[in-house]
Amino acid sequence: DAGVIQSPRHEVTEMGQEVTLRCKLISGHNSLFWYRQTMMRGLELLIYFNNNVPIDDSGMPEDRFSAKMPNASFSTLKIQPSEPRDSAVYFCASSLGGISNSPLHFGNGTRLTVT
Amino acid sequence: QQQVKQSPQSLIVQKGGISIINCAYENTAFDYFPWYQQFPGKGPALLIAIRPDVSEKKEGRFTISFNKSAKQFSLHIMDSQPGDSATYFCAASKGGNEKLTFGTGTRLTIIP
Repeated sequence: DAGVIQSPRHEVTEMGQEVTLRCKLISGHNSLFWYRQTMMRGLELLIYFNNNVPIDDSGMPEDRFSAKMPNASFSTLKIQPSEPRDSAVYFCASSLGGISNSPLHFGNGTRLTVT
Repeated sequence: QQQVKQSPQSLIVQKGGISIINCAYENTAFDYFPWYQQFPGKGPALLIAIRPDVSEKKEGRFTISFNKSAKQFSLHIMDSQPGDSATYFCAASKGGNEKLTFGTGTRLTIIP
């Protein structure tokens, strides 16, 4: 099992540019979560999907952020246009939805720096 | 409004000692309390979890103590080892993994 795979590991971009972060779920998992981690705010849930359907996007900070699940094993998080305050580590995590004791399996994150 | 408060922010413990990290929650509807461990450059990984129908859960050197009336829970690491040096997050939710609210994390350092 390769685990949750995120790409890229690091992204440096200029303010105003579009950024796309990618995530491949663990095979068989049907819940997908996007988190953002900063020193100031810790781990924040941005959005989560169950069976490819967005269930709760109340954590998405602004309309500049959007997330999709084009298929059951893949998700993207897009920021357009990016701003310096978006700099953070972005994690995706997957789990077996509907099983309350199923742990979240996190990827190793994408460190985003917006200059 | 922060729903899960974690302390201390950082902790240094000597090898072989007991590491204790505390969390307090506000929402009485929470019924799932996991702890996650994160090493530098990695994502968090589930360490141990508890539900409020028990007051304590032990897995190896790791123990969660839960006090429902005080709305507090803590992680105890017995015989702490240098390999335990990591950031630890408590979390809470209602019903499982959906909408886990994480604490702010505790950076634990075990010194020889």
